[in-house]
Amino acid sequence: EAQVTQNPRYLITVTGKKLTVTCSQNMNHEYMSWYRQDPGLGLRQIYYSMNVEVTDKGDVPEGYKVSRKEKRNFPLILESPSPNQTSLYFCASSFGRSNQPQHFGDGTRLSIL
Amino acid sequence: GQQVMQIPQYQHVQEGEDFTTYCNSSTTLSNIQWYKQRPGGHPVFLIQLVKSGEVKKQKRLTFQFGEAKKNSSLHITATQTTDVGTYFCAIIQGAQKLVFGQGTRLTINP
Repeated sequence: EAQVTQNPRYLITVTGKKLTVTCSQNMNHEYMSWYRQDPGLGLRQIYYSMNVEVTDKGDVPEGYKVSRKEKRNFPLILESPSPNQTSLYFCASSFGRSNQPQHFGDGTRLSIL
Repeated sequence: GQQVMQIPQYQHVQEGEDFTTYCNSSTTLSNIQWYKQRPGGHPVFLIQLVKSGEVKKQKRLTFQFGEAKKNSSLHITATQTTDVGTYFCAIIQGAQKLVFGQGTRLTINP
């Protein structure tokens, strides 16, 4: 089944403790991206990647890191999480570029205490 | 960079009533995408509009792209409870950034 898989789905952690949210897709998509969703603010893009080893900042990249060492994986890293990063996070992927339909994962709800 | 304003933020209707959400940009868009997110779910792609004045239909949903390619609308005729959710438009900003509108949350009274 074609899908985008995020892990974990839920995480409660404390300020400053490094964490990684994994994202994997099995559709051989080139374009992958991360979003955070907050009430009243919609979906805001954190980082995107157009292919292996090619990443770029979205609208809200501060406090986040990404890497794209393999085509299928695009992990989101919070080196020193803070409470303002408490949010619902989505990973998405698509063929080619951003002007193609985006396929979203089920989301990861992060709570930083 | 390019931004997109989506209105209204919330809409509550009686089942059977129509619903419309609008997205507006101050600059000309190359294309616009629409997504639906059910409560507790993830966004799901609905459609992409590319041409000036384009109108596309999916059953009770009608999508329009303005003649100047600066605005778009999603209209649902005779809403059903399955239409509940948040509807987002999305545009491309710069090289490959994808920017989403704030979303319109639709609730329906059965």
